[in-house]
Amino acid sequence: DTGVSQDPRHKITKRGQNVTFRCDPISEHNRLYWYRQTLGQGPEFLTYFQNEAQLEKSRLLSDRFSAERPKGSFSTLEIQRTEQGDSAMYLCASSLGGGQSQETQYFGPGTRLLVL
Amino acid sequence: EDQVTQSPEALRLQEGESSSLNCSYTVSGLRGLFWYRQDPGKGPEFLFTLYSAGEEKEKERLKATLTKKESFLHITAPKPEDSATYLCAVQSNSGGYQKVTFGIGTKLQVIP
Repeated sequence: DTGVSQDPRHKITKRGQNVTFRCDPISEHNRLYWYRQTLGQGPEFLTYFQNEAQLEKSRLLSDRFSAERPKGSFSTLEIQRTEQGDSAMYLCASSLGGGQSQETQYFGPGTRLLVL
Repeated sequence: EDQVTQSPEALRLQEGESSSLNCSYTVSGLRGLFWYRQDPGKGPEFLFTLYSAGEEKEKERLKATLTKKESFLHITAPKPEDSATYLCAVQSNSGGYQKVTFGIGTKLQVIP
């Protein structure tokens, strides 16, 4: 069990550019979540996948954000036309699913995005 | 809407000085309450899951308890390496997706 991994760990971009982040969940975990965390706040839910199906999206996820999980394995989160307000830590988590005792979410190290 | 309030926002303890962190919650049907530890610049690290009032879990110097309205994270004889932000989160039964809502955390500093 290697845990949840995220790439890159840090990203600096200029306003208006597109960025893409990758998340590899714990193997055999069929649920995958994306969160955004700003300084001094707790993680805020963005979106959730059950296998390859995107089942829930937060109102925080504007049209500039898109997430995919092809084949139900790794996931990508793309932000188009980045804005300075997108600067945050983007966290990925995964859970086994399948019942109350299997819904604990395990987090990756995060990708810190800075939009200049 | 589910709500999680953590107090205090920041706590400074001397090494060995035991204390408790509070997590008050409002949720339409509790599916689970989670405690995480987060070090600066890192992702949250899972500590405990509690499911029903009266439940308690322990790990080293940490003990988590749960009532119908709040949870406590008790820290016994803390060490400097326990310094971190402790996050509380709740998962509700409402709706098709059992959403997890986080509090803003308690930033703990343990001084040698």
